[in-house]
Amino acid sequence: DSGVTQTPKHLITATGQRVTLRCSPRSGDLSVYWYQQSLDQGLQFLIQYYNGEERAKGNILERFSAQQFPDLHSELNLSSLELGDSALYFCASSVRPNTEAFFGQGTRLTVV
Amino acid sequence: AQSVTQLDSHVSVSEGTPVLLRCNYSSSYSPSLFWYVQHPNKGLQLLLKYTSAATLVKGINGFEAEFKKSETSFHLTKPSAHMSDAAEYFCVVSSLGGYQKVTFGTGTKLQVIP
Repeated sequence: DSGVTQTPKHLITATGQRVTLRCSPRSGDLSVYWYQQSLDQGLQFLIQYYNGEERAKGNILERFSAQQFPDLHSELNLSSLELGDSALYFCASSVRPNTEAFFGQGTRLTVV
Repeated sequence: AQSVTQLDSHVSVSEGTPVLLRCNYSSSYSPSLFWYVQHPNKGLQLLLKYTSAATLVKGINGFEAEFKKSETSFHLTKPSAHMSDAAEYFCVVSSLGGYQKVTFGTGTKLQVIP
């Protein structure tokens, strides 16, 4: 167990809908990262927050947004969902940027 | 620009023989380098990390990696493969240049043949 908790584990939703994925980092970790893993794109870094502020941005679509709250948990919001958004979404946390990250078990999103 | 290249998408070894998973990187800043392993239907687990200390890094489960700046490589090795090593391995580079950038390699699937 990495100490990073992601909910829900599985999510099935229809195209055009909006979902929110939640991540609770390890105790003491200030950085949270979001990744998308799909068969055709591999593992893609989406976005990183550090102590509530955006710290780095990767290949995140405009339909997606994220935030980190004062209690350091983070949410990834995916809207206007398309079939191609079906993927495994991972959250990771680290004490600070550029240190090792610990990954949650992921949320498997299926868009039908 | 920052990039990571995992030179082999699939590697197959016999149980008990050495493992070599290759990774080359480029980064404009002094990078931190990591290897992660992902077993089927599981999350990613950190194997080892390089953060500008010793160039030979030892990780969990008998894996190690050597940071070679002149070759911009960070290859992962293990002297003797075990069946439980069968998984996908990701090389990751992270650098701070005012704004952190994290780049994953495309992964190498390791098959271990009994």
